[in-house]
Amino acid sequence: EAQVTQNPRYLITVTGKKLTVTCSQNMNHEYMSWYRQDPGLGLRQIYYSMNVEVTDKGDVPEGYKVSRKEKRNFPLILESPSPNQTSLYFCASTRGRGYTDTQYFGPGTRLTVL
Amino acid sequence: EDQVTQSPEALRLQEGESSSLNCSYTVSGLRGLFWYRQDPGKGPEFLFTLYSAGEEKEKERLKATLTKKESFLHITAPKPEDSATYLCAVKGFGNEKLTFGTGTRLTIIP
Repeated sequence: EAQVTQNPRYLITVTGKKLTVTCSQNMNHEYMSWYRQDPGLGLRQIYYSMNVEVTDKGDVPEGYKVSRKEKRNFPLILESPSPNQTSLYFCASTRGRGYTDTQYFGPGTRLTVL
Repeated sequence: EDQVTQSPEALRLQEGESSSLNCSYTVSGLRGLFWYRQDPGKGPEFLFTLYSAGEEKEKERLKATLTKKESFLHITAPKPEDSATYLCAVKGFGNEKLTFGTGTRLTIIP
């Protein structure tokens, strides 16, 4: 089954404690991205990756890092989380440049930073 | 910069009462306009892609249409299971990013 998976699904942490949210897709997609969703603000892109070892900032990258060492995985790293990073996070993937395919989304990770 | 505005923010309908959701957009060269459905606490689920003005697509009780400035999602004789937030997004040329609207929260009352 074609899918995007994320782990963990729920996470409660404290300010400053480094965390990683994993994302994996099994569709051999080149393009992957991370979004956060906040009430009244909609989905906003944090970072994206066009392919292995190619990443770039989206609209709200401050406080986040990403890496793309393998095509299927795109982890999101919060090195020093703060309460304003409390949000619902989604990973998404699509075939990539030259295609007009939609993006397929993971199930979401609800993060609470105390 | 690409922009998407959805209206209304929320809509409550009686079961069987048809209506339409609006998505207005500005984009520098439209590669695609996408409709998603999102249930609470879940990831957006793809519904439709529209590529050019005049295009229409249907799926069960949903029909999406596209003009050069807006898209409509028509819901015919809705059922309670159609209750969800409906998201509209656009992708412009030279850009893989999706720009989303804030969604319309649809509630169908039995």
